[in-house]
Amino acid sequence: QQQVKQSPQSLIVQKGGISIINCAYENTAFDYFPWYQQFPGKGPALLIAIRPDVSEKKEGRFTISFNKSAKQFSLHIMDSQPGDSATYFCAASKDSGSRLTFGEGTQLTVNP
Amino acid sequence: DVKVTQSSRYLVKRTGEKVFLECVQDMDHENMFWYRQDPGLGLRLIYFSYDVKMKEKGDIPEGYSVSREKKERFSLILESASTNQTSMYLCASSFLDRDPYEQYFGPGTRLTVT
Repeated sequence: QQQVKQSPQSLIVQKGGISIINCAYENTAFDYFPWYQQFPGKGPALLIAIRPDVSEKKEGRFTISFNKSAKQFSLHIMDSQPGDSATYFCAASKDSGSRLTFGEGTQLTVNP
Repeated sequence: DVKVTQSSRYLVKRTGEKVFLECVQDMDHENMFWYRQDPGLGLRLIYFSYDVKMKEKGDIPEGYSVSREKKERFSLILESASTNQTSMYLCASSFLDRDPYEQYFGPGTRLTVT
C-alpha cells in the first residue's frame, strides 16, 4: 500500500515550459517532504525539501508548494530544460526520522 | 564528496542461488539503507540499519536479510534468489541526527535472476 501517491507517471514538456509533479499523502505524522532527482544510470539525489510549517520553498527554478489541509505537495520546474530530463521522486518522513517513504516516481522528458 | 559504492553494476544469478550485494560508504554515516526500484512502484525500503549490528525491517523484507559488521559496510543477502527478485537494488546512507533526511545513494545494482 503506497502511502505517498505521485502523479503523473510520465510527463513530456517543451523547453521553457513549466513541469508540475504532484504528490498526496495520508499519514498526518509525516513532517518532512523531500524531492529526489535521478538521472539514468545514477542513484537518486536530494533536490529540494520542505517542512509543513511553510507553504512554499524555492531554489532556483525549482519550487515546492505545500498544502497541509489537502495533504498534498507539488514540485514546479520553471523554464524547464532538456538537462532536467530525469525521474523525480517525492518522499515523506515522520517524527523527524531518517526513514523515507517514496512516491512511485515521474519520468520527465523536456524536449528541445 | 560523499561516496556510496556498490559492489556490482550488473549481476546475473540463477534461481535458488545465494546472492550477496555489498555497499560501502565513506562519510561515517550512521544510517544505511537497502531499497529496490521497480517501474511504477518507486523505491521500496527492504531493510535499514542505524548502527553496527543493528537492523530494522522495511516495507518488503521477505526473502532478504542484511548484515552490518562495520559502520561503513552494509550487505544485502538473498538467501535463495527467485525470479521475482529481479530488480534494481539501491543502497543509501545518511547521518542519524544531522540532516537524516538527506540520503546519499549508490549507482545501483541491476540484478537479474533466471
